[in-house]
Amino acid sequence: ETGVTQSPTHLIKTRGQQVTLRCSSQSGHNTVSWYQQALGQGPQFIFQYYREEENGRGNFPPRFSGLQFPNYSSELNVNALELDDSALYLCASSWSSGVASFGEGSWLTVV
Amino acid sequence: GENVEQHPSTLSVQEGDSAVIKCTYSDSASNYFPWYKQELGKRPQLIIDIRSNVGEKKDQRIAVTLNKTAKHFSLHITETQPEDSAVYFCAASITGGSYIPTFGRGTSLIVHP
Repeated sequence: ETGVTQSPTHLIKTRGQQVTLRCSSQSGHNTVSWYQQALGQGPQFIFQYYREEENGRGNFPPRFSGLQFPNYSSELNVNALELDDSALYLCASSWSSGVASFGEGSWLTVV
Repeated sequence: GENVEQHPSTLSVQEGDSAVIKCTYSDSASNYFPWYKQELGKRPQLIIDIRSNVGEKKDQRIAVTLNKTAKHFSLHITETQPEDSAVYFCAASITGGSYIPTFGRGTSLIVHP
């Protein structure tokens, strides 16, 4: 059974740029959620995708957007990067409303 | 929406002592409470969970208790070991629909040998 994988693991971007983070869900999982975890904080829910449709969204601005593909993998896109976007971005997959498994995350630094 | 408060933010104990981390939640509809352990630079990993129809659950040295009336739940770790050192997060969610847990801010547990 393949776990949740994320790429890239680390990246550095300049303020104002755009970034795309990728997530491959665990085998058999059809739901993907994205979280932002700033240093010293708990994960904050960004949004969730279920069968390629957005299925819930946290308190994040529209410049945070996402996609889910037919194979249930997902992308998180962030436009017009700000310094405060620097964080660990976690992807979690699950089967419908079941308990989620987290990926190792993508560390984003905005300078 | 749901709000989860977690205390303490840092907990330092001697090896062999017990550690207790407490969380409160605001939404009485929440019925599923997982606990995650996150080691430095690693992903959060589910260590134990409890559903609202149960008051206590135990798994070896780890136990979780839930008081639905007071809307609080706690993680208990007995006979702590240095490898228990990590950040622990509680969360609350509603099952049956989308699984979107609300996390606490985390407790950094340090176990001194």
